[in-house]
Amino acid sequence: AQRVTQPEKLLSVFKGAPVELKCNYSYSGSPELFWYVQYSRQRLQLLLRHISRESIKGFTADLNKGETSFHLKKPFAQEEDSAMYYCALEVQRNGTSYGKLTFGQGTILTVHP
Amino acid sequence: DAGVTQSPTHLIKTRGQHVTLRCSPISGHKSVSWYQQVLGQGPQFIFQYYEKEERGRGNFPDRFSARQFPNYSSELNVNALLLGDSALYLCASSLALSGRPIYEQYFGPGTRLTVT
Repeated sequence: AQRVTQPEKLLSVFKGAPVELKCNYSYSGSPELFWYVQYSRQRLQLLLRHISRESIKGFTADLNKGETSFHLKKPFAQEEDSAMYYCALEVQRNGTSYGKLTFGQGTILTVHP
Repeated sequence: DAGVTQSPTHLIKTRGQHVTLRCSPISGHKSVSWYQQVLGQGPQFIFQYYEKEERGRGNFPDRFSARQFPNYSSELNVNALLLGDSALYLCASSLALSGRPIYEQYFGPGTRLTVT
């Protein structure tokens, strides 16, 4: 069975500092990986997905299959980045998604002024 | 579009009772998934429905059931409630079942269930 681990429950940085939220996964096949974010009093929303290889709000994440990691990084954190971040993995079989996202426990990021 | 909507927002039930939670997907979305989020943990997959059929099921007891209606809305039912069922129940909708890249799941605000 697949598993997602986010080792840090809490992460605090100062504005302008680099930030890295760690995510490790275990899955024998080729996973689809995502980062979801939940800002205060808002619903869970997709931040980025590995297959898009894009930067959203200055965040990037690289899939490292050798280390089975998908860490989220931003070179200069902003106060508005303070939120709960979840790493998630989705399994597909024969090109079909079963809508089953496996989430990590989440990391609360606080960016201090 | 208001996005995914869920009702009720909050619910308090007693052990042993039954509960029904409702979800309306984004217009045009045919796939609905349900997740349970216990305080301090990430969401955990319960069910996925597509075109009114169950397409995926998580590791939950048979007390949990769901269905999807012709208009693609969905209900999650939980029988014989236990204290441990207290959680935020999230519904997510997506456009379809398969695709490249995987269709994004859009989450609702959740229903907070408290079992006393």
